[in-house]
Amino acid sequence: DAGVTQSPTHLIKTRGQQVTLRCSPKSGHDTVSWYQQALGQGPQFIFQYYEEEERQRGNFPDRFSGHQFPNYSSELNVNALLLGDSALYLCASSLWYRNSYGYTFGSGTRLTVV
Amino acid sequence: KQEVTQIPAALSVPEGENLVLNCSFTDSAIYNLQWFRQDPGKGLTSLLLIQSSQREQTSGRLNASLDKSSGRSTLYIAASQPGDSATYLCAVGNDYKLSFGAGTTVTVRA
Repeated sequence: DAGVTQSPTHLIKTRGQQVTLRCSPKSGHDTVSWYQQALGQGPQFIFQYYEEEERQRGNFPDRFSGHQFPNYSSELNVNALLLGDSALYLCASSLWYRNSYGYTFGSGTRLTVV
Repeated sequence: KQEVTQIPAALSVPEGENLVLNCSFTDSAIYNLQWFRQDPGKGLTSLLLIQSSQREQTSGRLNASLDKSSGRSTLYIAASQPGDSATYLCAVGNDYKLSFGAGTTVTVRA
């Protein structure tokens, strides 16, 4: 049973550029959430997608946007990159109607902005 | 706003000693609590999930308790091994997201 798959694993971008990160959820899961983890900190919630719509959003600027596709996979887009966007970006999948079953996380994408 | 605190921030123990990791949270209106393990530069591996109606969960050498009324959870790791060295994260779940603590970094010395 495939878990959550994220790509790419590492990425280096220049300030002001745009980046797209990708996530395939665990088989059977229909909800995808994105988290940002800065060095030495716990992950922070960015947003959650269900039925191809953004259902909830954390305290992140509009430069962060996303998309969910009919096969439940998802993309995270970040525009006008800042040095402070350097972090590990984690994707988590779950079942919408059974959120109490918990979340499964991917291995993350390490983004470095220079 | 849910605030999650983990104490201590770091812990170093000799092999064989039992580990006790603490987690506290401010809002008791939770769906569940999940403990994760994170190796350096890697993603999160789920260790235990406790539903809000449960008091504890066990898996092998791991045991986690939950006291929702006091906003506390404790992760016990019995007979620690060098392979247990990692950062352990506590996450409190509501209807749409997890709120994480900053983690406890554990080093088990051989």
